[in-house]
Amino acid sequence: QVTLRESGPALVKPTQTLTLTCTFSGFSLSTSGMCVSWLRQPPGKALEWLALIDWDDDKYYSTSLKTRLTISKDTSKNQVVLTMTNMDPVDTATYYCARMPYSRTFDIWGQGTMVTVSS
Amino acid sequence: DIQMTQSPSTLSASVGDRVTITCRASQSISSWLAWYQQKPGKAPKLLIYDASSLESGVPSRFSGSGSGTEFTLTISSLQPDDFATYYCQQYNSEWTFGQGTKVEIK
Repeated sequence: QVTLRESGPALVKPTQTLTLTCTFSGFSLSTSGMCVSWLRQPPGKALEWLALIDWDDDKYYSTSLKTRLTISKDTSKNQVVLTMTNMDPVDTATYYCARMPYSRTFDIWGQGTMVTVSS
Repeated sequence: DIQMTQSPSTLSASVGDRVTITCRASQSISSWLAWYQQKPGKAPKLLIYDASSLESGVPSRFSGSGSGTEFTLTISSLQPDDFATYYCQQYNSEWTFGQGTKVEIK
């Protein structure tokens, strides 16, 4: 059974750096073609893709956010970590990680973690 | 960036109705399109990929069609479990979503 679970702070202050961890099971990120992405969804709004890391450690970032994002993986721990710098209230959202076979669709998602940016 | 536009934004329907949601891409994406269902407080669920392929375990009342820039998701006979928000997503160039279509009870 494939599962993903996001973890991280529920509340961050403006200008702080957010660090989120995706811990997964049931698949390996060292398998050729396998990828994991981070996405977010502000309250009542649409989904937005943020970043992707693949089995070969290639990384891709949203054009609008790439200066603020860093994605990394620890294959031995089955974890993918996202950092987002200089957090702002507009970054308040539910953040999801999702599995992406062959970097196409998001076929399995975590349950999401709500992050609020407020002083 | 490729922009995805869904219509309508909200759709009111009754159980048993045939429902169609449209998704348009700002440029051709071939058949690189997926559809997701999301219920309140839950993560999205993949329904359709490659524009018309049904994800394993998804009921056959869901179907997708289209190519290029215009796509549709059809629910042949709406069931109580289908009231949700639906999103299209392109994967031709990076990954972008439509703004969503909420299917509500009439």
